[in-house]
Amino acid sequence: DAGVIQSPRHEVTEMGQEVTLRCKPISGHNSLFWYRQTMMRGLELLIYFNNNVPIDDSGMPEDRFSAKMPNASFSTLKIQPSEPRDSAVYFCASSLDRGAFFGQGTRLTVV
Amino acid sequence: GQQVMQIPQYQHVQEGEDFTTYCNSSTTLSNIQWYKQRPGGHPVFLIQLVKSGEVKKQKRLTFQFGEAKKNSSLHITATQTTDVGTYFCACSGSARQLTFGSGTQLTVLP
Repeated sequence: DAGVIQSPRHEVTEMGQEVTLRCKPISGHNSLFWYRQTMMRGLELLIYFNNNVPIDDSGMPEDRFSAKMPNASFSTLKIQPSEPRDSAVYFCASSLDRGAFFGQGTRLTVV
Repeated sequence: GQQVMQIPQYQHVQEGEDFTTYCNSSTTLSNIQWYKQRPGGHPVFLIQLVKSGEVKKQKRLTFQFGEAKKNSSLHITATQTTDVGTYFCACSGSARQLTFGSGTQLTVLP
């Protein structure tokens, strides 16, 4: 298996633009997590899906952030409109029963 | 959701010295997981502990889960430069959401 695949690896966008981050979890995993990592705030859980259903989205910062998981092999995290304070590394991770397996992350810079 | 506090935030050791990071919770945990993140990399799952008082070893790494299941530790014996990175503990909430501690950044001086 190729592991968790995220795209793009890097994204630079202007403030106000829409940003879409993509994730393909490991086949057969039933849990999917989106995290944001910054120096100041560490690894923050944004949203957690189980069997494609959002279970906990209490970490989503505000209405500008939305996430979907239309099927077991694909998820997106969208920021609209983006702001400079959204600059961070965004990780997607998937899990089956023990341990979460992370993608390489998307480094987002909003200028 | 459940939260875990991790100390120390930073640790510098001379190569060959031992290293320990601690993870504490105010509530009983169902399990504790440990991850390592190399500089510029992504978190990598190391181990999961489930049982009270459990101790597991992976080569020079020893993981412990407290008797009350409220704390855990990761101990590295005789550190090497390849041990450099940030070590995170993480716990599962009631709905199996995974929350991470703040991490301990380990620097190993040659």
